[in-house]
Amino acid sequence: QLQLQESGPGLVKPSETLSLTCKVSGGSISNNNYYWGWIRQPPGKGLEWIGSIYYGGSTYYKPSLKSRVTISVDTSKNHFSLKLTSVTAADTAVYYCARQDNWNYAYWGQGTLVTVSS
Amino acid sequence: QSALTQPASVSGSPGQSLTISCTGTSGDVGSWNLVSWYQQHPGKAPKLLIYEVTKRPSGVSNRFSGSKSGNTASLTISGLQAEDEADYYCYSYAGSSALGVFGGGTELTVL
Repeated sequence: QLQLQESGPGLVKPSETLSLTCKVSGGSISNNNYYWGWIRQPPGKGLEWIGSIYYGGSTYYKPSLKSRVTISVDTSKNHFSLKLTSVTAADTAVYYCARQDNWNYAYWGQGTLVTVSS
Repeated sequence: QSALTQPASVSGSPGQSLTISCTGTSGDVGSWNLVSWYQQHPGKAPKLLIYEVTKRPSGVSNRFSGSKSGNTASLTISGLQAEDEADYYCYSYAGSSALGVFGGGTELTVL
C-alpha cells in the first residue's frame, strides 16, 4: 500500500524559507504514470494546490506562487521536496503531499502544520 | 485563477439525497473532464470520492456519484448517513495557464 509522509520544521520565521520533504513508501516515485504534488490548507480554510513534479524533473506550479516555489525530486531517496521562500503569516497552513494521477489525488500524506511566526 | 464556486454549506436528513454543485468556467470545468471530488473529516487528509467527473475509486460507496453540465460539476450523495457529515471539495484541471484549482469547500451537515 502506497504511503506518503511529510516532514520538516513546524515553525518558520517570516521572510525565511519553508522546506518540507515527502517520503514515499510502498511504491516507486519513478513510476512514469504519476506526478507528485503539494497541497496546503490554512487553518479553518479550504484546500489550495501548490504544484507538482514528475520523477524526471518536469514541474507545474500555481501561477500566483510560482515566483516563490520550488519542488524537487530525489529518486535515490524516493522522496520529493517543497521550498517556499519569503514566507509570511499567510503561508501558515497544513501542507499535504499527494500522488497526482491525471490531475486527481488518491493517495495523501497525513499533513504537517507549518506556522509562520517570529 | 479563481477558486471554483461551491455552496458554503448544505444539510440533509438521514436517508435523503443531496447534491453539491461546483461552478467553474469554460477554462476549467467546462473544458476538461478532469473534475474530482474529495471528502474531508476534521483533522484528516482529504479522501478521493470521484475522479474524471463520474468515476468512483475502488472502495468508495456507490452512494456517491458525479456529473457535469457545462461549467458546473455536481456531487450527489444518496441515502445520506451520519458518517457523511464532512467537508467536500471539488477540484479541476484548468489548462496550462492555471493548472489545478480547488473549490472553496462545502460543509455538509446531517440533521
